[in-house]
Amino acid sequence: RKEVEQDPGPFNVPEGATVAFNCTYSNSASQSFFWYRQDCRKEPKLLMSVYSSGNEDGRFTAQLNRASQYISLLIRDSKLSDSATYLCVVKETSGGYNKLIFGAGTRLAVHP
Amino acid sequence: EPEVTQTPSHQVTQMGQEVILRCVPISNHLYFYWYRQILGQKVEFLVSFYNNEISEKSEIFDDQFSVERPDGSNFTLKIRSTKLEDSAMYFCASSRWTSGTSTDTQYFGPGTRLTVL
Repeated sequence: RKEVEQDPGPFNVPEGATVAFNCTYSNSASQSFFWYRQDCRKEPKLLMSVYSSGNEDGRFTAQLNRASQYISLLIRDSKLSDSATYLCVVKETSGGYNKLIFGAGTRLAVHP
Repeated sequence: EPEVTQTPSHQVTQMGQEVILRCVPISNHLYFYWYRQILGQKVEFLVSFYNNEISEKSEIFDDQFSVERPDGSNFTLKIRSTKLEDSAMYFCASSRWTSGTSTDTQYFGPGTRLTVL
């Protein structure tokens, strides 16, 4: 079973649309969760952390359901500049050290 | 804003050759990481490094790989004898802390694209 699983997309949406991405993770002991954004052939960049109570940053809302081991990202009022691959990332800690486990990403294409 | 830098941006090498990929982490960060991303695939953890020691490594990080912090600023990844399947984007990352705080975010460098011919 994949450690972090995402729908690969692509999601093709018009500007102004609302789009939601889902992610599931397999390790129930995972404690920290993130959404990163990756543009083509660029490095992953942190979009936002995901907290148990859900959190919002402008047009972006992240939700976490620990019981279902499910993470989501909602993007409202999509902009052309939102076109990218969105990576669901889980941090695993072992012996006091951590590593990031990445999903394969969901590609978003926003068109005029 | 401080950032992680990596050199070179693109490295082409022949199979069997040694390569060294270089990274300069953010200056007050203590934890360092290498990840790789084969074209079209997900980002994969290779190794983490703290206090001049490897703290964790993945199955990918076999005897052909090594890491070093040769001075106070650089962090290197060496592949001793490259194989075709080592062709990938290699990302260096660093973090201030490792767990338990909001400041343990890992910041990624722009990557080195390694092409093995």
